[in-house]
Amino acid sequence: AQTVTQSQPEMSVQEAETVTLSCTYDTSESDYYLFWYKQPPSRQMILVIRQEAYKQQNATENRFSVNFQKAAKSFSLKISDSQLGDAAMYFCAYNAQGNTPLVFGKGTRLSVIA
Amino acid sequence: KAGVTQTPRYLIKTRGQQVTLSCSPISGHRSVSWYQQTPGQGLQFLFEYFSETQRNKGNFPGRFSGRQFSNSRSEMNVSTLELGDSALYLCASSLGGSSHEQFFGPGTRLTVL
Repeated sequence: AQTVTQSQPEMSVQEAETVTLSCTYDTSESDYYLFWYKQPPSRQMILVIRQEAYKQQNATENRFSVNFQKAAKSFSLKISDSQLGDAAMYFCAYNAQGNTPLVFGKGTRLSVIA
Repeated sequence: KAGVTQTPRYLIKTRGQQVTLSCSPISGHRSVSWYQQTPGQGLQFLFEYFSETQRNKGNFPGRFSGRQFSNSRSEMNVSTLELGDSALYLCASSLGGSSHEQFFGPGTRLTVL
């Protein structure tokens, strides 16, 4: 079974600084999808960024970018120019090809210090 | 477009009771997935429905069941509630298929006393 590991239960960053959240996954598949979801205190899960495994180019969404290392099965999220509103739980998720459910990591709680 | 809605938002039940949670997906979405979120176990997949058929099922006991209606609205039912069922239950809808983003609802917070 596929597993997703987030080794950092908690992280903190100064406002306007850059932080990187780590995620590794285990799969024998060659085609799959990876996601980072944000869950603020409101509990509403919001998609931050997605990456297709067949694409070598790292995905970028404004201040959010990923470092996708397929061979190492690593998928880290970089948040640049951190803002107070970035404070939340961040979940890394994996989705295999076909109609399969999302597999989530345990999450990383990010605090942003003013 | 309206987002995913879940009702009720909060629920308090006692052990042994049963509960029904409802999820209305985004218009046009045919896939609805349910997840249980707890501090200890994190986010765990319960089941997914697509066009009124259960397409995937997680590793939960038979006390957890669900269904989907022809308008894609979905309900999940938990019978004979246990203290350990206290959790945030999240529903997510999508067009279907692993490449499609899942849009999450705000969740139903279930407390079992």
